[in-house]
Amino acid sequence: QVQLVESGGGVVQPGRSLRLSCAASGFTFSSYGIHWVRQAPGKGLEWVAFISYDGTNKYYADSVKGRFTISRDNSKNTLSLQMNSLRAEDTAVYYCAKRDYYGAAPLDWGQGTLVTVSS
Amino acid sequence: QTVVTQEPSFSVSPGGTVTLTCGLSSGSVSTSYYPSWYQQTPGQAPRTLIYSTNTRSSGVPDRFSGSILGNKAALTITGAQADDECDYYCVLYMGSGISVFGGGTKLTVL
Repeated sequence: QVQLVESGGGVVQPGRSLRLSCAASGFTFSSYGIHWVRQAPGKGLEWVAFISYDGTNKYYADSVKGRFTISRDNSKNTLSLQMNSLRAEDTAVYYCAKRDYYGAAPLDWGQGTLVTVSS
Repeated sequence: QTVVTQEPSFSVSPGGTVTLTCGLSSGSVSTSYYPSWYQQTPGQAPRTLIYSTNTRSSGVPDRFSGSILGNKAALTITGAQADDECDYYCVLYMGSGISVFGGGTKLTVL
């Protein structure tokens, strides 16, 4: 079955960087686009970024554009999110989610990893 | 900037039917937005209920259905049960790779 496992979360100071990873299994990783979605404590879901199946197309929410970079390694079935210049408002649980093949929406979700930006 | 709108809260009686909606601050939702719906209980990852307007995700009971109603996407829950009480989110695809989530609806079953 589809499995997505996020890692790399933790506590980081404002202005510093952090790199999240998402390990995928149970499906042909190189055939699917993948989303990052986050959820601040007590808040709703926020779409963060998307990368196409082959990594050629990348899209970002305005709130993270220029600071976050999404990438993937299809040889290792892994997805990454490099987060630079972190702010307090980036504090959230970050989920990776496999996209619906024929549509656009996140379909299968990981369990998430918590990022806390605090001094 | 386009905002995706959802009712902040809704109430339904056990066994009853409720329809949650997902709209746009400007314009109408169509199937081209691939509206999708998620259920989330506290401390858990979202669970996909409906994607691409009306396709039920694997294992989702047919009490949950998706549609377009007027100018909004809709999630209808029939035969509401106590464990349906949680948060529901919709997401719309805006094109150019961008997706936007609604603010979520807190459903109470009482």
